[in-house]
Amino acid sequence: ILNVEQSPQSLHVQEGDSTNFTCSFPSSNFYALHWYRWETAKSPEALFVMTLNGDEKKKGRISATLNTKEGYSYLYIKGSQPEDSATYLCAFSAGSARQLTFGSGTQLTVLP
Amino acid sequence: ETGVTQTPRHLVMGMTNKKSLKCEQHLGHNAMYWYKQSAKKPLELMFVYSLEERVENNSVPSRFSPECPNSSHLFLHLHTLQPEDSALYLCASRISSNWDNSPLHFGNGTRLTVT
Repeated sequence: ILNVEQSPQSLHVQEGDSTNFTCSFPSSNFYALHWYRWETAKSPEALFVMTLNGDEKKKGRISATLNTKEGYSYLYIKGSQPEDSATYLCAFSAGSARQLTFGSGTQLTVLP
Repeated sequence: ETGVTQTPRHLVMGMTNKKSLKCEQHLGHNAMYWYKQSAKKPLELMFVYSLEERVENNSVPSRFSPECPNSSHLFLHLHTLQPEDSALYLCASRISSNWDNSPLHFGNGTRLTVT
């Protein structure tokens, strides 16, 4: 059983604040790390897929880093906006690329 | 508009009923997934179909039976379910020829209630 841990479980920030979350995963037999955003009443939407140690990816105000040797990834949001409010999920695959194991997510609320 | 369509959106069924969930994708993907989201739990992988090969989570009870007639369609047949099977069932697809950079594309899910 692969354990993917996300912290914090929930987070409230003020509009304009920058914030970050953590995803921890087993470092052995790493294949890929995914980040998704899941807004209420919508389907999860892919943000990033990362495979290489040291990878950094950016999409607008959101960026992510990956450390496969120590088994963690950070997701950063710069200048949070109310529309960033969502649950952010990470998912990890080891060995078999087909099977993605999800964490419980970080629920972000951005207050106006 | 999502390229992955799930029907029905909501389903209420008794424990003795038989029903099926349907998923259809128009993205040209060739791997399809069923995930279960129970309250306050992470998304749980149930089944993966890739290039006609099925991978399953061994903890999924036999009252859930998947069917993948082609790369665009995926079904989840349900029979004699239990109240604890009430959950959101999400379908997803991706490209299997490029696992390294291929994210999952999700449908909107079917909210299942077993009474």
